Amino acid sequence: DVKVTQSSRYLVKRTGEKVFLECVQDMDHENMFWYRQDPGLGLRLIYFSYDVKMKEKGDIPEGYSVSREKKERFSLILESASTNQTSMYLCASSFFYEQFFGPGTRLTVL
Amino acid sequence: GQNIDQPTEMTATEGAIVQINCTYQTSGFNGLFWYQQHAGEAPTFLSYNVLDGLEEKGRFSSFLSRSKGYSYLLLKELQMKDSASYLCAVRDQNYGQNFVFGPGTRLSVLP
Repeated sequence: DVKVTQSSRYLVKRTGEKVFLECVQDMDHENMFWYRQDPGLGLRLIYFSYDVKMKEKGDIPEGYSVSREKKERFSLILESASTNQTSMYLCASSFFYEQFFGPGTRLTVL
Repeated sequence: GQNIDQPTEMTATEGAIVQINCTYQTSGFNGLFWYQQHAGEAPTFLSYNVLDGLEEKGRFSSFLSRSKGYSYLLLKELQMKDSASYLCAVRDQNYGQNFVFGPGTRLSVLP
């Protein structure tokens, strides 16, 4: 069964903290994505990766960075968390056209 | 750039039929997707259209008109479990084959 897992379902951090969100897929997919989802705005692409050690900026990369050291793992990093980064974060992977999503991490920055 | 529009909310009755519309503007259209997302859960794939016409999959159908930049998702014989958000997404070959998502339509099915 296809599986994308994310390290935490809920996370509470303080302003200025460094935050790591981990995503792992077991489908041997080349492509991985990080989105944030906010009410009324839909899913917005933060970063994506088409291969190991490769990364590309999406629509809203400011304040975020990513790491893809292994094919199955794609990490999202908030270098210094701010309150406007409170959101639902969704990771996805794809092989051809269908994207498979993880369960999401609801991050609250206080 | 890309722009995708969907109604924000819809309400329908159990057993009825509902149509959720999606309009889009994109320069390099390469497929339209519908996802279902229950509250607090991950989106799950429902359908994919790349050519004009209707794709049917059980109680769900999706229609595409590329010339009009228009799609709809048709849900028949509504059940309470169909209460969810429905996301329209367009794949754009001028956007690195990435997906652009609409804001989603929250459907409430009432008894």
